[in-house]
Amino acid sequence: QKEVEQNSGPLSVPEGAIASLNCTYSDRVSQSFFWYRQYSGKSPELIMSIYSNGDKEDGRFTAQLNKASQYVSLLIRDSQPSDSATYLCAVNSRAQKLVFGQGTRLTINP
Amino acid sequence: GAVVSQHPSRVICKSGTSVKIECRSLDFQATTMFWYRQFPKQSLMLMATSNEGSKATYEQGVEKDKFLINHASLTLSTLTVTSAHPEDSSFYICSASITGNYGYTFGSGTRLTVV
Repeated sequence: QKEVEQNSGPLSVPEGAIASLNCTYSDRVSQSFFWYRQYSGKSPELIMSIYSNGDKEDGRFTAQLNKASQYVSLLIRDSQPSDSATYLCAVNSRAQKLVFGQGTRLTINP
Repeated sequence: GAVVSQHPSRVICKSGTSVKIECRSLDFQATTMFWYRQFPKQSLMLMATSNEGSKATYEQGVEKDKFLINHASLTLSTLTVTSAHPEDSSFYICSASITGNYGYTFGSGTRLTVV
């Protein structure tokens, strides 16, 4: 079982709709969870970090964490074409290393 | 905010030569930096953890003699790809975290092409 798993997509969402990205992780003691956005040919940029169960909102983005289910999600409201990118879920491992999922390619259709 | 500068952004080298990539934390001290490699349409793969003043810790399957890492100061880590071959062509990215903080900042990446 991979440490961090994501649906690789591609995921297509119409402009203005909600995009939902999901991630599961295997290590129950993980404490820190991150969502990164990566445009083609560029380095990842941090979108959201979440450390406790529940929802965390920042503008159009909402991260959700459920430690009992070992599940993290990212919701993007009012999706824009500029949101089209690969979204990487990352989990801080026991050794304080950031482990990435394989990424979900998101396309927002105008 | 924490800024990590990576240089060069793009490099083309001939097979058999060595290439050095620099990663600098500009406004904070980073006792630990991480080096990743990313192949097209794949996720980031951690290569090694660079620790200031000590030897780097390499992930399984990563050749330490081929990918030399030096972390001589709290603001600079370097990755040297020695005797580069075409299969080493990839996107190399460094990251750093502020001591005591779980946040990670990434450099802009280096596109290495070995011809």
